[in-house]
Amino acid sequence: ETGVTQTPRHLVMGMTNKKSLKCEQHLGHNAMYWYKQSAKKPLELMFVYSLEERVENNSVPSRFSPECPNSSHLFLHLHTLQPEDSALYLCASSQEENSPLHFGNGTRLTVT
Amino acid sequence: EDKVVQSPLSLVVHEGDTVTLNCSYEVTNFRSLLWYKQEKKAPTFLFMLTSSGIEKKSGRLSSILDKKELFSILNITATQTGDSAVYLCAVALTGANNLFFGTGTRLTVIP
Repeated sequence: ETGVTQTPRHLVMGMTNKKSLKCEQHLGHNAMYWYKQSAKKPLELMFVYSLEERVENNSVPSRFSPECPNSSHLFLHLHTLQPEDSALYLCASSQEENSPLHFGNGTRLTVT
Repeated sequence: EDKVVQSPLSLVVHEGDTVTLNCSYEVTNFRSLLWYKQEKKAPTFLFMLTSSGIEKKSGRLSSILDKKELFSILNITATQTGDSAVYLCAVALTGANNLFFGTGTRLTVIP
């Protein structure tokens, strides 16, 4: 148990599907993040929320849409994805924007 | 362009060996350097380094930062099979919300 819970653990979707990834943190942190981890590439930041307000959108395509309804929950809505979007999507939280990140176990996404 | 480079990319050692993992960086507005261990899924935090020359230690793991030469090392002594993982280095910048990650070093410890 890492204190950051992600669901589902695995997801297979077609290019025309719409799905959502969910993240919940039980640590009382104020900032939440979405990262993408592809094979043989560094972790890439996608979105940052601080106190439920988006503070960073790292040039992510619009087919990825984040939502942060409160400081404990973060969603990533997916639609019309491409096969190259297949990756491990990691959610993280931190006490504040400059503190170490605590990661969830990730959602392994496969786009067919 | 900001970048973080880790070496070696992979390493295989026997139990009991000592290993040194390297992380070099070229970034503007450096704030801190962090080490994470990723076994299966979630990277877990190991160390955060902000000052040069001050060793951080946790059990058999230790790390040190050299801000003049722009690198950090992570040492693991008396390695165990449970140390097998990918070790990630990341750099945080002042005034930014991002961590720049390296590609990691995959360590395999064989009995």
